[in-house]
Amino acid sequence: GQNIDQPTEMTATEGAIVQINCTYQTSGFNGLFWYQQHAGEAPTFLSYNVLDGLEEKGRFSSFLSRSKGYSYLLLKELQMKDSASYLCAVGDRGSTLGRLYFGRGTQLTVWP
Amino acid sequence: DTGVSQDPRHKITKRGQNVTFRCDPISEHNRLYWYRQTLGQGPEFLTYFQNEAQLEKSRLLSDRFSAERPKGSFSTLEIQRTEQGDSAMYLCASMGSPGAPLLNTEAFFGQGTRLTVV
Repeated sequence: GQNIDQPTEMTATEGAIVQINCTYQTSGFNGLFWYQQHAGEAPTFLSYNVLDGLEEKGRFSSFLSRSKGYSYLLLKELQMKDSASYLCAVGDRGSTLGRLYFGRGTQLTVWP
Repeated sequence: DTGVSQDPRHKITKRGQNVTFRCDPISEHNRLYWYRQTLGQGPEFLTYFQNEAQLEKSRLLSDRFSAERPKGSFSTLEIQRTEQGDSAMYLCASMGSPGAPLLNTEAFFGQGTRLTVV
């Protein structure tokens, strides 16, 4: 089966850096995804890691270690609009193609 | 194409009534997924279509739930005899263009239909 764990809540101040961790267990790892979801809105894609290492995309970076079953999402120069839920999700080779297994989400609150 | 669209955005229904939701995926995508999300949880997989074929259903999808994608384009999700436990956000996602590599790639989500059963 799949088990994905991430913190429930985090807070940070505008302009700061925050790191959201995600650990996972899956029988057939096939990529790790981070999605951002504002309240009442659709999840929107942020990043995808399938190989170990850091992927950087503007203010957002995502890191993956497959041997440790660990990923993090790094948000730099935080803005108020970054207040949202951040969802960690994994794909599983042994499961339906494209099916994602999501964590509960980390609710990030950015204070002025 | 502006993305995945879902209709309605909100639905309030009385317990025992039937409801139907619609999803229009991105037009060139051949794979379509339905997820359900409750407050404070991540989305949970319900069912998957490749073109018009429904290839997988989660055990979450009881006999009261049925989904179709008759022409391989839009999809509908029907819940019969709704129960209060069905209250949730129902999300549709699409991905996969014909000829594209069969790898996990970005899934595009619609804004969801929020169902409240009273």
